[in-house]
Amino acid sequence: EVQVVESGGGLVQPGGSLRLSCEASGFTFSTYSMSWVRQAPGKGLEWVSGITTSGDSTYYADSVKGRFTISRDNFKNTLYLQMNSLRAEDTAIYYCAKEVGSRIRGCDYWGQGTLVTVSS
Amino acid sequence: QSALTQVASVSGSPGQSITISCTGTSSDIGGYKYVSWYQRHPGKAPKLMIYDVSNRPSGVSNRFSGSKSGNTASLTISGLQAEDEADYYCSSYTSSSTLVVFGGGTKLTVL
Repeated sequence: EVQVVESGGGLVQPGGSLRLSCEASGFTFSTYSMSWVRQAPGKGLEWVSGITTSGDSTYYADSVKGRFTISRDNFKNTLYLQMNSLRAEDTAIYYCAKEVGSRIRGCDYWGQGTLVTVSS
Repeated sequence: QSALTQVASVSGSPGQSITISCTGTSSDIGGYKYVSWYQRHPGKAPKLMIYDVSNRPSGVSNRFSGSKSGNTASLTISGLQAEDEADYYCSSYTSSSTLVVFGGGTKLTVL
């Protein structure tokens, strides 16, 4: 059974940092691109970042570019999102999602999400 | 404001068919075949219903179908059922620096 489980969310002050993790199981992790998607309170879904199979190519939404870094460890079947210089508007539930294939084009499995709250 | 435009809400009666549209530009929907549709029940993770404009993942009912014309993508649900009541989001690959854009979501109410 395909599973992706996020962890690492919590309360952080503006300007602070947080690292999210996503443990994957039930599929050959190294052969699929992965993405992070978030949903702020009362808002819709927002794609945050994506990474290709080997990790050679990474992509970011304009809203997080230069502050967030996506990475993966194909030996540990784990996806990461390093979030720096956090702002109040980064408050959201962050979802880890498996892409349909090796390209970033649609997410067929999602985790339950981890809540990030940026507040003083 | 979302990059893709969806109507805020639609409704239909059980057994009817409804269509949810998603309008973008030639830089996203109109330029690529990577349009996806997601179903979101309250408190649950999004579920992929359609990818690559019209492909259904394994396990998704054939009552759900997707299409695209120009810069507008559409999700059609036939034989509406109570369990279809949810929020629906479209997304598309885009040539902009943000690789993927979502619509603002459409709330489907089954009357």
